[in-house]
Amino acid sequence: DIQMTQSPSTLSASVGDRISITCRASQSISTWLAWYQQKPGKAPKILIYKASTLASGVPSRFSGSGSGTEFTLSISSLQPEDFATYYCHQYDSHSPSLTFGGGTKVDVK
Amino acid sequence: QVQLQESGPGLVKFSETLSLTCAVSGHSISSGYYWGWVRQPPNKGLEWIGNIYHNGLPYYNPSLERRVTISVDTSRNQVSLKLNSVTATDTAVYYCVRSARQSDWVDNWGQGTLVTASS
Repeated sequence: DIQMTQSPSTLSASVGDRISITCRASQSISTWLAWYQQKPGKAPKILIYKASTLASGVPSRFSGSGSGTEFTLSISSLQPEDFATYYCHQYDSHSPSLTFGGGTKVDVK
Repeated sequence: QVQLQESGPGLVKFSETLSLTCAVSGHSISSGYYWGWVRQPPNKGLEWIGNIYHNGLPYYNPSLERRVTISVDTSRNQVSLKLNSVTATDTAVYYCVRSARQSDWVDNWGQGTLVTASS
């Protein structure tokens, strides 16, 4: 299986901050990577797919970058509704299984 | 707009079989897409279980393959999950999910249902 490692596991920030979350794959996955946001008691919601394509309805303050083994999710100006947990997800068809990162919780500083 | 709704027992005894159903509305399963399951143990991360096309073979996470069965019932527009020989580590919220291709990001999630494995 391809292992996905997210860092940091927790990020403390304030409204208006620019933040970045990193996801590293144990082998190259090209740009077959998605990012999701999950709030407590809710299902995850897609933010970005194919490493950098913004999903429909997602605010432009979210952006994704990277290819191969290193990827980044950035939020340009953190809003109150952005405090949540974020997961990366590799979906490379060469992998026997789809796998998720361990998650990054963004909380109030 | 497609909606996915999971249902099934919230409590399963150790060594027995977990059975869940996902009712799909707003989209005919026979029209396409892959339908599957993702689970999340309490306060932990996400784990892909597997998925299936309406007229194709299922794909499973190798770590669960010996115990899991995913199937579709096109007449009822439902997707089912069976996981046998459950242990405490199978306690999780189980999400029904949709993807455009077998290996793809998830574009729709059900609300999830908590299943607790207990003696």
